[in-house]
Amino acid sequence: QVQLQESGPGLLKPSETLSLTCTVSGGSISGYYWSWIRQPAGKGLYWIGRIYTSGSTNYNPSLKSRVTMSVDTSKHQFSLDLRSVTAADTAVYYCARAREDQSRAFDIWGQGTMVTVSS
Amino acid sequence: DIQMTQSPSSLSASVGDRVTITCRASQSISTYLNWYQQKPGKAPKLLIYGASSLQSGVPSRFSGSGSGTDFTLTINSLQPEDFATYSCQQSYSTPRTFGQGTKLEIK
Repeated sequence: QVQLQESGPGLLKPSETLSLTCTVSGGSISGYYWSWIRQPAGKGLYWIGRIYTSGSTNYNPSLKSRVTMSVDTSKHQFSLDLRSVTAADTAVYYCARAREDQSRAFDIWGQGTMVTVSS
Repeated sequence: DIQMTQSPSSLSASVGDRVTITCRASQSISTYLNWYQQKPGKAPKLLIYGASSLQSGVPSRFSGSGSGTDFTLTINSLQPEDFATYSCQQSYSTPRTFGQGTKLEIK
């Protein structure tokens, strides 16, 4: 069964760049959309953006100026860079896979990684 | 962006009850509506996709309906493990957006 695992630093200072990687195991990375989603403590889910295995991306316009996503199919990984972080970027960050069908529902999720931005 | 609004924000119910959660989209999204269950400290779990299709492995007491702008998630005969937060999400367009969540608590 496909599993996702996020990795990256848990603590950042304001103005630094958040870099997270999601490793895909137990299945193919090719042919799917892969998303990053975050959730501040006690709040709802927020979609950051997605990348297809071709490298095509869609970002949330509210974060677009600070976000870059990339994929390395040889390593079965995709990544998120979020620049110039502030305390407002403190959240649990999830990576997720979208179903292949038209629903594009998020059927596989990583366990999530807590990221704290604090001076 | 398409706004997703859930009601109620919280709900108390007892084991064995039937509950319904509503999700409304700010514009028509056909049936591009998905439902997730989330327990504290855990990742969301897909329950329903395409408004009414049950994800593999999800108990049949969960069901979804609706199209256009109005959708419902129904849980028949609540079980202790069903007490969690439920969120809807539209996959009609980007950016993908979620409802604010409905917390289902034990009465």
